[in-house]
Amino acid sequence: QVTLKESGPVLVKPTETLTLTCTVSGFSLSNARMGVSWIRQPPGKALEWLAHIFSNDEKSYSTSLKSRLTISKDTSKSQVVLTMTNMDPVDTATYYCARIRTHHYGMDVWGQGTTVTVSS
Amino acid sequence: EIVLTQSPGTLSLSPGERATLSCRASQSVSSSYLAWYQQKPGQAPRLLIYGASSRATGIPDRFSGSGSGTDFTLTISRLEPEDFAVYYCQQYGSSPQLTFGGGTKVEIK
Repeated sequence: QVTLKESGPVLVKPTETLTLTCTVSGFSLSNARMGVSWIRQPPGKALEWLAHIFSNDEKSYSTSLKSRLTISKDTSKSQVVLTMTNMDPVDTATYYCARIRTHHYGMDVWGQGTTVTVSS
Repeated sequence: EIVLTQSPGTLSLSPGERATLSCRASQSVSSSYLAWYQQKPGQAPRLLIYGASSRATGIPDRFSGSGSGTDFTLTISRLEPEDFAVYYCQQYGSSPQLTFGGGTKVEIK
């Protein structure tokens, strides 16, 4: 069974750095046919793609957030980590990680999401 | 960056009716890289359609996708009570960049 689970702080202060971890099971981060994406969703709003990483360590970032994001993976731990610097209240959202398939670049398995609130 | 515009914003229909959702891209999208998702309140999105017209595993055949270039459509042939939700389209393109549309809410009339 393929699962992804997000973990990280529930509350961060403005200007702080957010670090989120996605722990996957049921597939390997070394599998060339898949990667992991991060997506967020502010309350009541649409989905926003943030970044993804593939087995060959190829990384891509949202153009609008590129300067603030870093994605990395630890294949041995089956974990993908996303950091976002200089957090602001507008970054309050549910953050999801999802498996992305290189065949069609759709995201076929999603984590449950983790809610992050940015407030002083 | 390719912008995806979904219409209508809200679709009010009754169970048993046909739903037609539109996704229009600001520039041509490869059909291989156009997907549709369903999201219910408090849940993560679920992949319905990939490659513009291929159903994901376990998705009922009342869901179908079509289109090419800049115009794509998700059709639900006969709405079941569990189909009332928000639907998003998503594309993957050059840069490489991935974008979602703004969503269409299908609500009970």
